[in-house]
Amino acid sequence: DQQVKQNSPSLSVQEGRISILNCDYTNSMFDYFLWYKKYPAEGPTFLISISSIKDKNEDGRFTVFLNKSAKHLSLHIVPSQPGDSAVYFCAASDRSADKLIFGTGTRLQVFP
Amino acid sequence: NAGVMQNPRHLVRRRGQEARLRCSPMKGHSHVYWYRQLPEEGLKFMVYLQKENIIDESGMPKERFSAEFPKEGPSILRIQQVVRGDSAAYFCASSPQGRGNQPQHFGDGTRLSIL
Repeated sequence: DQQVKQNSPSLSVQEGRISILNCDYTNSMFDYFLWYKKYPAEGPTFLISISSIKDKNEDGRFTVFLNKSAKHLSLHIVPSQPGDSAVYFCAASDRSADKLIFGTGTRLQVFP
Repeated sequence: NAGVMQNPRHLVRRRGQEARLRCSPMKGHSHVYWYRQLPEEGLKFMVYLQKENIIDESGMPKERFSAEFPKEGPSILRIQQVVRGDSAAYFCASSPQGRGNQPQHFGDGTRLSIL
């Protein structure tokens, strides 16, 4: 039972354009959502998070949008840079537990 | 380096041996989480510990796997009698609080290979 889904395994975007990574979830008890970035042979690096009481959170080039009715969140990166090329994981947690439930990741490639 | 430290980075074991993975949380963090990542998959929660206590072990296999976080020293994930299917990347994360919408910060993982 995959509670957090990232349906696009890969995404290719030109440098300078916007990258949009999507994530869907099924558990309505989730109240905290995070995005992590991961390079090969390294651990996930925290990027940005959002609480369920908000619908948008912005940090520099990164913005996360949350649509609770659709159980959908997205990460926008603008402008995209070659250094953004990595695997991006969406994760969620609920009030009753501290564990994070991860999606399977989307591999972003930003080309010149 | 004030980040989450994991060692060893790579560990090779033969079937039937024991594997011990260590994790030192970030300074000031007393909550530790272990996750496992199989090839081409996302990270799967295994266990959540505070000092000297296991809080949630719902993701731990019933047999051969154990974890501890002693009063002094790093957290240890122990796998006894390893099998080929245990080959994976094991990541440790830490946070300052167990709840309160705080992000977990990850180490670079231990890549376990079973011959």
